[in-house]
Amino acid sequence: DAGVIQSPRHEVTEMGQEVTLRCKPISGHDYLFWYRQTMMRGLELLIYFNNNVPIDDSGMPEDRFSAKMPNASFSTLKIQPSEPRDSAVYFCASRTGDLKRILDTQYFGPGTRLTVL
Amino acid sequence: AQSVTQPDIHITVSEGASLELRCNYSYGATPYLFWYVQSPGQGLQLLLKYFSGDTLVQGIKGFEAEFKRSQSSFNLRKPSVHWSDAAEYFCAVKGAQKLVFGQGTRLTINP
Repeated sequence: DAGVIQSPRHEVTEMGQEVTLRCKPISGHDYLFWYRQTMMRGLELLIYFNNNVPIDDSGMPEDRFSAKMPNASFSTLKIQPSEPRDSAVYFCASRTGDLKRILDTQYFGPGTRLTVL
Repeated sequence: AQSVTQPDIHITVSEGASLELRCNYSYGATPYLFWYVQSPGQGLQLLLKYFSGDTLVQGIKGFEAEFKRSQSSFNLRKPSVHWSDAAEYFCAVKGAQKLVFGQGTRLTINP
Protein backbone atom coordinates (compact mmCIF):
# COMPACT_ATOMS: atom_id res chain seq x y z
CA ASP A 1 0.00 0.00 0.00
CA ALA A 2 1.36 3.41 -0.95
CA GLY A 3 -0.06 5.08 2.13
CA VAL A 4 -1.69 8.48 2.14
CA ILE A 5 -0.48 10.53 -0.80
CA GLN A 6 -0.36 14.30 -0.80
CA SER A 7 0.57 16.73 -3.51
CA PRO A 8 2.35 18.94 -3.97
CA ARG A 9 4.97 18.39 -1.29
CA HIS A 10 5.98 22.03 -1.41
CA GLU A 11 4.07 25.07 -2.60
CA VAL A 12 5.27 28.63 -2.71
CA THR A 13 2.81 31.25 -3.82
CA GLU A 14 2.11 34.93 -3.56
CA MET A 15 -0.47 36.49 -1.35
CA GLY A 16 -3.86 36.59 -3.01
CA GLN A 17 -3.34 33.53 -5.16
CA GLU A 18 -5.50 30.44 -5.00
CA VAL A 19 -3.87 27.34 -3.55
CA THR A 20 -5.15 23.79 -3.93
CA LEU A 21 -3.76 20.94 -1.89
CA ARG A 22 -4.55 17.37 -2.81
CA CYS A 23 -4.88 14.13 -0.92
CA LYS A 24 -5.40 10.51 -1.84
CA PRO A 25 -6.35 8.43 1.20
CA ILE A 26 -5.51 4.79 1.73
CA SER A 27 -7.84 2.62 -0.29
CA GLY A 28 -10.76 1.37 1.78
CA HIS A 29 -10.48 4.06 4.43
CA ASP A 30 -13.77 5.78 5.19
CA TYR A 31 -12.49 8.75 7.17
CA LEU A 32 -10.30 11.55 5.88
CA PHE A 33 -8.84 14.33 7.98
CA TRP A 34 -7.11 17.61 7.10
CA TYR A 35 -4.71 19.11 9.65
CA ARG A 36 -2.59 22.23 9.73
CA GLN A 37 0.68 22.42 11.62
CA THR A 38 2.39 25.66 12.64
CA MET A 39 4.98 26.51 15.24
CA MET A 40 2.58 28.77 17.06
CA ARG A 41 -0.52 26.58 17.12
CA GLY A 42 0.83 23.07 16.72
CA LEU A 43 -1.38 20.50 14.99
CA GLU A 44 -4.94 21.64 14.36
CA LEU A 45 -7.73 19.60 12.86
CA LEU A 46 -9.36 21.63 10.12
CA ILE A 47 -12.07 19.29 8.81
CA TYR A 48 -12.87 15.64 8.48
CA PHE A 49 -15.00 13.56 6.14
CA ASN A 50 -16.80 10.26 6.56
CA ASN A 51 -17.78 8.46 3.38
CA ASN A 52 -17.01 11.62 1.40
CA VAL A 53 -19.34 13.76 3.51
CA PRO A 54 -17.93 16.61 5.62
CA ILE A 55 -18.76 15.86 9.24
CA ASP A 56 -17.02 18.55 11.22
CA ASP A 57 -15.53 21.68 9.70
CA SER A 58 -15.37 23.67 12.90
CA GLY A 59 -11.60 23.90 12.63
CA MET A 60 -11.63 25.63 9.26
CA PRO A 61 -10.20 29.06 10.04
CA GLU A 62 -12.38 31.17 7.78
CA ASP A 63 -14.32 31.30 4.55
CA ARG A 64 -11.17 31.49 2.52
CA PHE A 65 -10.69 27.80 3.28
CA SER A 66 -12.79 25.11 1.65
CA ALA A 67 -12.47 21.35 1.37
CA LYS A 68 -14.12 18.82 -0.87
CA MET A 69 -14.14 15.09 -1.27
CA PRO A 70 -15.74 14.28 -4.63
CA ASN A 71 -15.04 10.56 -4.29
CA ALA A 72 -13.55 8.04 -1.91
CA SER A 73 -10.06 8.36 -3.34
CA PHE A 74 -9.56 12.10 -3.57
CA SER A 75 -9.88 15.23 -1.47
CA THR A 76 -8.82 18.84 -1.92
CA LEU A 77 -8.19 21.69 0.45
CA LYS A 78 -8.42 25.07 -1.21
CA ILE A 79 -7.38 28.47 0.05
CA GLN A 80 -8.65 31.47 -1.88
CA PRO A 81 -7.24 34.05 -1.54
CA SER A 82 -4.14 32.93 0.29
CA GLU A 83 -2.44 35.07 2.94
CA PRO A 84 1.04 34.89 4.52
CA ARG A 85 -0.47 33.65 7.79
CA ASP A 86 -1.66 30.55 5.96
CA SER A 87 1.94 29.41 5.67
CA ALA A 88 2.10 26.03 7.39
CA VAL A 89 2.42 22.34 6.77
CA TYR A 90 -0.89 20.77 5.84
CA PHE A 91 -1.39 17.09 6.56
CA CYS A 92 -3.98 14.70 5.32
CA ALA A 93 -4.78 11.53 7.28
CA SER A 94 -7.15 8.64 6.79
CA ARG A 95 -8.46 5.68 8.71
CA THR A 96 -10.88 2.85 8.40
CA GLY A 97 -14.51 3.20 9.38
CA ASP A 98 -14.87 -0.49 10.12
CA LEU A 99 -16.92 -0.60 13.30
CA LYS A 100 -14.84 -3.47 14.57
CA ARG A 101 -11.82 -1.27 14.20
CA ILE A 102 -13.43 2.03 15.02
CA LEU A 103 -10.54 2.96 17.25
CA ASP A 104 -8.00 2.22 14.59
CA THR A 105 -5.09 4.38 13.79
CA GLN A 106 -5.03 7.43 11.64
CA TYR A 107 -2.40 7.22 8.94
CA PHE A 108 -0.79 10.48 7.95
CA GLY A 109 0.52 11.65 4.62
CA PRO A 110 3.90 13.36 4.28
CA GLY A 111 2.35 16.80 4.28
CA THR A 112 2.40 19.83 2.00
CA ARG A 113 4.60 22.69 3.09
CA LEU A 114 2.87 25.90 2.01
CA THR A 115 4.65 29.23 1.93
CA VAL A 116 2.66 32.32 1.08
CA LEU A 117 4.83 35.32 0.31
CA ALA B 1 -13.53 19.20 25.97
CA GLN B 2 -10.57 16.94 25.69
CA SER B 3 -7.07 18.41 25.77
CA VAL B 4 -3.48 17.25 25.87
CA THR B 5 -0.52 18.97 27.50
CA GLN B 6 3.09 18.17 26.78
CA PRO B 7 4.99 20.24 29.35
CA ASP B 8 8.39 19.95 27.68
CA ILE B 9 8.80 21.81 24.41
CA HIS B 10 12.39 20.65 23.87
CA ILE B 11 14.45 17.90 25.48
CA THR B 12 18.08 17.03 24.88
CA VAL B 13 19.54 13.70 25.92
CA SER B 14 22.78 11.89 25.19
CA GLU B 15 22.82 8.89 22.94
CA GLY B 16 22.41 5.77 25.05
CA ALA B 17 20.66 7.61 27.87
CA SER B 18 17.13 6.87 28.97
CA LEU B 19 14.24 9.03 27.90
CA GLU B 20 10.87 10.02 29.31
CA LEU B 21 8.52 12.39 27.54
CA ARG B 22 5.60 13.66 29.56
CA CYS B 23 1.98 13.83 28.49
CA ASN B 24 -1.04 14.86 30.52
CA TYR B 25 -4.56 14.65 29.20
CA SER B 26 -7.98 15.90 30.10
CA TYR B 27 -10.93 13.77 29.09
CA GLY B 28 -14.20 12.95 30.77
CA ALA B 29 -14.49 9.33 29.78
CA THR B 30 -12.02 6.50 29.31
CA PRO B 31 -9.30 8.02 27.19
CA TYR B 32 -7.87 6.50 24.06
CA LEU B 33 -4.29 7.72 23.92
CA PHE B 34 -1.65 7.78 21.23
CA TRP B 35 1.96 8.73 20.73
CA TYR B 36 3.11 9.78 17.29
CA VAL B 37 6.59 10.64 16.05
CA GLN B 38 7.41 13.11 13.31
CA SER B 39 10.85 13.01 11.74
CA PRO B 40 12.05 16.16 9.97
CA GLY B 41 10.15 16.73 6.75
CA GLN B 42 7.95 13.71 7.32
CA GLY B 43 4.40 13.00 8.33
CA LEU B 44 3.35 11.53 11.66
CA GLN B 45 3.97 7.89 12.41
CA LEU B 46 2.18 6.01 15.17
CA LEU B 47 4.48 4.73 17.91
CA LEU B 48 1.89 3.16 20.17
CA LYS B 49 -1.65 3.45 21.45
CA TYR B 50 -3.64 2.68 24.57
CA PHE B 51 -7.29 1.69 24.56
CA SER B 52 -7.77 -0.54 27.58
CA GLY B 53 -6.19 -3.39 29.49
CA ASP B 54 -2.55 -3.44 30.48
CA THR B 55 -1.52 0.08 31.39
CA LEU B 56 2.01 -0.45 30.08
CA VAL B 57 1.93 -0.37 26.30
CA GLN B 58 4.75 -1.48 24.03
CA GLY B 59 5.30 0.27 20.73
CA ILE B 60 7.63 0.28 17.79
CA LYS B 61 11.28 1.29 17.86
CA GLY B 62 11.69 0.19 21.48
CA PHE B 63 9.29 2.74 22.93
CA GLU B 64 6.77 2.10 25.67
CA ALA B 65 4.23 4.22 27.50
CA GLU B 66 2.43 3.88 30.78
CA PHE B 67 -1.13 5.00 31.36
CA LYS B 68 -1.76 6.33 34.85
CA ARG B 69 -5.38 7.27 35.36
CA SER B 70 -4.77 8.78 38.81
CA GLN B 71 -2.28 11.22 37.31
CA SER B 72 -4.04 11.69 33.96
CA SER B 73 -0.72 10.89 32.35
CA PHE B 74 0.56 8.82 29.46
CA ASN B 75 4.33 9.25 29.50
CA LEU B 76 6.53 7.84 26.77
CA ARG B 77 9.76 6.07 27.67
CA LYS B 78 12.74 4.46 26.05
CA PRO B 79 15.58 2.82 28.00
CA SER B 80 18.35 3.83 25.61
CA VAL B 81 17.95 6.39 22.84
CA HIS B 82 19.63 6.26 19.46
CA TRP B 83 20.62 9.21 17.29
CA SER B 84 17.83 8.24 14.90
CA ASP B 85 15.27 8.97 17.63
CA ALA B 86 15.80 12.71 17.16
CA ALA B 87 12.38 13.94 16.08
CA GLU B 88 9.26 15.60 17.37
CA TYR B 89 6.90 13.55 19.48
CA PHE B 90 3.19 14.16 19.81
CA CYS B 91 0.79 12.80 22.37
CA ALA B 92 -2.87 12.67 21.36
CA VAL B 93 -6.22 11.77 22.89
CA LYS B 94 -9.12 10.59 20.81
CA GLY B 95 -12.45 12.35 21.05
CA ALA B 96 -15.60 11.22 19.26
CA GLN B 97 -13.88 10.80 15.93
CA LYS B 98 -11.11 13.33 16.20
CA LEU B 99 -7.62 13.24 17.59
CA VAL B 100 -6.57 16.13 19.80
CA PHE B 101 -2.83 16.61 19.80
CA GLY B 102 -0.46 18.14 22.29
CA GLN B 103 1.97 20.84 21.18
CA GLY B 104 4.74 18.32 20.74
CA THR B 105 8.15 17.75 22.31
CA ARG B 106 11.24 18.14 20.17
CA LEU B 107 13.92 15.59 21.05
CA THR B 108 17.57 16.32 20.34
CA ILE B 109 20.20 13.62 20.77
CA ASN B 110 23.75 14.52 21.73
CA PRO B 111 26.42 12.15 20.39
